[in-house]
Amino acid sequence: DAKTTQPNSMESNEEEPVHLPCNHSTISGTDYIHWYRQLPSQGPEYVIHGLTSNVNNRMASLAIAEDRKSSTLILHRATLRDAAVYYCILRDGRDDKIIFGKGTRLHILP
Amino acid sequence: DTEVTQTPKHLVMGMTNKKSLKCEQHMGHRAMYWYKQKAKKPPELMFVYSYEKLSINESVPSRFSPECPNSSLLNLHLHALQPEDSALYLCASSLGGPRRPGELFFGEGSRLTVL
Repeated sequence: DAKTTQPNSMESNEEEPVHLPCNHSTISGTDYIHWYRQLPSQGPEYVIHGLTSNVNNRMASLAIAEDRKSSTLILHRATLRDAAVYYCILRDGRDDKIIFGKGTRLHILP
Repeated sequence: DTEVTQTPKHLVMGMTNKKSLKCEQHMGHRAMYWYKQKAKKPPELMFVYSYEKLSINESVPSRFSPECPNSSLLNLHLHALQPEDSALYLCASSLGGPRRPGELFFGEGSRLTVL
């Protein structure tokens, strides 16, 4: 399984943008980049995914490097409810296997 | 309906008991998953069912036995568990199939305590 590397934790101020990095230097051509987050005492929640182009949805934006070896999840305006563990995952488009890495614990300061 | 429903939310069992965890979705998803999560650790993949057939078993001990009676239901049968099996068990579903790398929808989990 292709691996991802994320910082263990990050801090950000409320109402500021947050950029969560992810390195995936061994990504293959069939791997999609997925982001999930897990709030305390809840199951993980899908955030966004992409293959090659940058993606936007109501929750976040995903910026993918041109060589696809890294990506950044962007929360445009953090709120206290965005405090969670954020997981960057590579999902092979050819199968249903999804393996979680250690993730980044995001702390939001009021 | 975009929900994955897991029951029970909490379960306490002895090491000699037999119990089951249940998971249900009505989104027409054909891939269903069991994950195990210990405190402050990421979810760990256990099993994947694709079109009601077991497609992935991540070397899980046989005291955990999955079952997929139909495309909407997923069970995890538990027998002769150990205290170290105490964890949050998460069920998830996705559209499934090759070339459809859609998102996973997770349930809230079943918190299992083995005494």
